[in-house]
Amino acid sequence: SQTIHQWPATLVQPVGSPLSLECTVEGTSNPNLYWYRQAAGRGLQLLFYSVGIGQISSEVPQNLSASRPQDRQFILSSKKLLLSDSGFYLCAWADSYEQYFGPGTRLTVT
Amino acid sequence: SQQGEEDPQALSIQEGENATMNCSYKTSINNLQWYRQNSGRGLVHLILIRSNEREKHSGRLRVTLDTSKKSSSLLITASRAADTASYFCATETTSGTYKYIFGTGTRLKVLA
Repeated sequence: SQTIHQWPATLVQPVGSPLSLECTVEGTSNPNLYWYRQAAGRGLQLLFYSVGIGQISSEVPQNLSASRPQDRQFILSSKKLLLSDSGFYLCAWADSYEQYFGPGTRLTVT
Repeated sequence: SQQGEEDPQALSIQEGENATMNCSYKTSINNLQWYRQNSGRGLVHLILIRSNEREKHSGRLRVTLDTSKKSSSLLITASRAADTASYFCATETTSGTYKYIFGTGTRLKVLA
């Protein structure tokens, strides 16, 4: 069966520090991968999605970047965090229409 | 900007009652999906309805789709306290890129 891992679960980082969130998927190959951000009590904002290794589509120009170094690994990064980067970050994968979400990372930028 | 907007933003009902949530979207779609999110957790897929379908059932869930009005509704029958969660609609545009746009969500509270 397929499993999606996301870590860390929570993270508190100072403004200006770098960020690296990792997401890995097991039990499937060549999935579509997604990064979303959710502000408190709000909907999901699509940040990046990838349909293959090295292929990244950015939806919102901002302080973040994404990479897909391996088929089932998706990384969200920032060189310098802003206060506005705080939120709940969700990784998801899909092999057709249904998306499967990871447990999320709650990021607080102080 | 968000493609979908759910209505109402929040809903509180008694256990056993039915809960209806609506989703409106702006552009043509391939399909529309409903997801559920328990507080502080990831989302879980509930049901998918394709653009050529008008109604779909899954257990206590009933989804309708009206492409002429660009709207969908999710009905949960005989609600339970465990149904307390946020519910989101997600649409895939006709581009077929597997890119999904989520709505703003409806927070449902079912009182025991």
